[in-house]
Amino acid sequence: DVKVTQSSRYLVKRTGEKVFLECVQDMDHENMFWYRQDPGLGLRLIYFSYDVKMKEKGDIPEGYSVSREKKERFSLILESASTNQTSMYLCASSSPRNSNQPQHFGDGTRLSIL
Amino acid sequence: AQKITQTQPGMFVQEKEAVTLDCTYDTSDPSYGLFWYKQPSSGEMIFLIYQGSYDQQNATEGRYSLNFQKARKSANLVISASQLGDSAMYFCAMILDTGRRALTFGSGTRLQVQP
Repeated sequence: DVKVTQSSRYLVKRTGEKVFLECVQDMDHENMFWYRQDPGLGLRLIYFSYDVKMKEKGDIPEGYSVSREKKERFSLILESASTNQTSMYLCASSSPRNSNQPQHFGDGTRLSIL
Repeated sequence: AQKITQTQPGMFVQEKEAVTLDCTYDTSDPSYGLFWYKQPSSGEMIFLIYQGSYDQQNATEGRYSLNFQKARKSANLVISASQLGDSAMYFCAMILDTGRRALTFGSGTRLQVQP
């Protein structure tokens, strides 16, 4: 079974802090994704990565950056946290070989910025 | 750009009855895939079912089936014999076979199964 592990289930940080959300997958997937989930908006793509050191902006990249130094790890960075970044963050991974393969998600991180 | 629309913010169903969750999509690409995910209150996203745009038959997985009407661009999820454990958020999502390989999600439907 694919396992996607996010480092924290709940996180509370202060405005202006630099925040790191970590994600690790154990299935050697090339693709990794960071989504943000807000009520009434579904999941929106922040950044994704096709390979080590490769990254591409999603639909809402402002205020975020990412790092992928190893294939299994994809980090989301909030450079200077703001209250409007309080949200649920979900990491996912997938294999690019077949489009019918589902993305596998971590359990999510509920981030509160005070 | 592709778009997914789920018009039912919330639904109620009696235990053991069937329920249909609506999903319409919009894309000009001919090759795509449609997914349904379940998200219980604990937060994890659980993959339920997949339908490819060229699949001739509607997908089925146990109590889940996907009513795929390509001309209408709809991909409704049908849950038969609802159980209390089916209470959750349900998301419809689409992926294009070309271009970026990320999912586009709808806003979700919260299903509550009543005893």
